[in-house]
Amino acid sequence: GDSVTQMEGPVTLSEEAFLTINCTYTATGYPSLFWYVQYPGEGLQLLLKATKADDKGSNKGFEATYRKETTSFHLEKGSVQVSDSAVYFCALKPTGTASKLTFGTGTRLQVTL
Amino acid sequence: GAVVSQHPSRVICKSGTSVKIECRSLDFQATTMFWYRQFPKKSLMLMATSNEGSKATYEQGVEKDKFLINHASLTLSTLTVTSAHPEDSSFYICSARAEDPRVDTQYFGPGTRLTVL
Repeated sequence: GDSVTQMEGPVTLSEEAFLTINCTYTATGYPSLFWYVQYPGEGLQLLLKATKADDKGSNKGFEATYRKETTSFHLEKGSVQVSDSAVYFCALKPTGTASKLTFGTGTRLQVTL
Repeated sequence: GAVVSQHPSRVICKSGTSVKIECRSLDFQATTMFWYRQFPKKSLMLMATSNEGSKATYEQGVEKDKFLINHASLTLSTLTVTSAHPEDSSFYICSARAEDPRVDTQYFGPGTRLTVL
């Protein structure tokens, strides 16, 4: 079945450091790929998405590129801030299946001054 | 953006009792709501999909008699954990999809932490 694998956290970085959170997936066909973020005490929020190969999703300085050849959707940010501290979830939605998301385990990011 | 609330945020109950969790879409109408369960260090697991006015569709392995879902209005869905046991302790998260299926975006609630003693 479909699955999403994320790097285990927590990831601890100093402010202004470069961030990469790895995400790889297994799915048939051409799924849509997502990154969600969960700030403390809040629900998951859609951060960015990509719907086809080579698409780049971006938002709030975060980017991820849909790489079909490596089945990856790594999340990157050039300079993290303390306010980016949160849990980040990678997810996929298979083609033709409305709204049925498969999530990774989540990666906690802690950014310090 | 669209807001989804859950109540309660935390609940502790005794084994054998039933617990109801509410999920509300506060500023939009949701024809479809989803219930997830999250185990420690595990991914969110979809339990069921509920559509307003009809029976919920449960994922394989989820006991429908154990986890009762009611979606009585376009802004409210409830999950009742019946005869709860310690193994039901978990983090339960709901999400809601706006009425327009073309949007196909889920908005998530903040989750409910259930602890069964």
